Amino acid sequence: DQQVKQNSPSLSVQEGRISILNCDYTNSMFDYFLWYKKYPAEGPTFLISISSIKDKNEDGRFTVFLNKSAKHLSLHIVPSQPGDSAVYFCAASAGTFGDGTTLTVKP
Amino acid sequence: EPEVTQTPSHQVTQMGQEVILRCVPISNHLYFYWYRQILGQKVEFLVSFYNNEISEKSEIFDDQFSVERPDGSNFTLKIRSTKLEDSAMYFCASSETDLAGSSGANVLTFGAGSRLTVL
Repeated sequence: DQQVKQNSPSLSVQEGRISILNCDYTNSMFDYFLWYKKYPAEGPTFLISISSIKDKNEDGRFTVFLNKSAKHLSLHIVPSQPGDSAVYFCAASAGTFGDGTTLTVKP
Repeated sequence: EPEVTQTPSHQVTQMGQEVILRCVPISNHLYFYWYRQILGQKVEFLVSFYNNEISEKSEIFDDQFSVERPDGSNFTLKIRSTKLEDSAMYFCASSETDLAGSSGANVLTFGAGSRLTVL
């Protein structure tokens, strides 16, 4: 049973536009959600988190939205930059990771 | 900035051989983890470790795997008899707090990974 799912394996956007990465989860007991970014040949690095008691958390160009009723969260990056090209993992506080979405931002 | 370091960066071994992957977590972190990522697949949790014992492990972490904190700094993953399907990137991570049962966002700091190739 995959508790955290990222259904889109890849996403391609133009520089300057918005990137929206999606994540669904099944366990309503998760109290925090985190997004990690991973470049090739590196380990994942923490990007942003959100508590289950909030519906939005913003940090610069990155905003995470949480819809508890739908068990869905999304990461918005605006404006997207070529350096944002990486694999993005959604994770729940229990350490469960989604499959990842490869974001490519084209100049 | 503090970082998690892993050695070796790449190890090639023959099937059936023992492998030890080493990690030096961030010095003030108390919780340690191993994850793996088979090429093209998801990042999978293997094991978490606290206070010199395993606190949680996944189904992947069977009897051929073991972890140890032999001294105050190193955290090792041993694979006793490697199989072809053990070929993967192995990531060590550490955190200040525990993943389960904590009230905060438990941020993991990952190392760069050790690539294991089993022939």
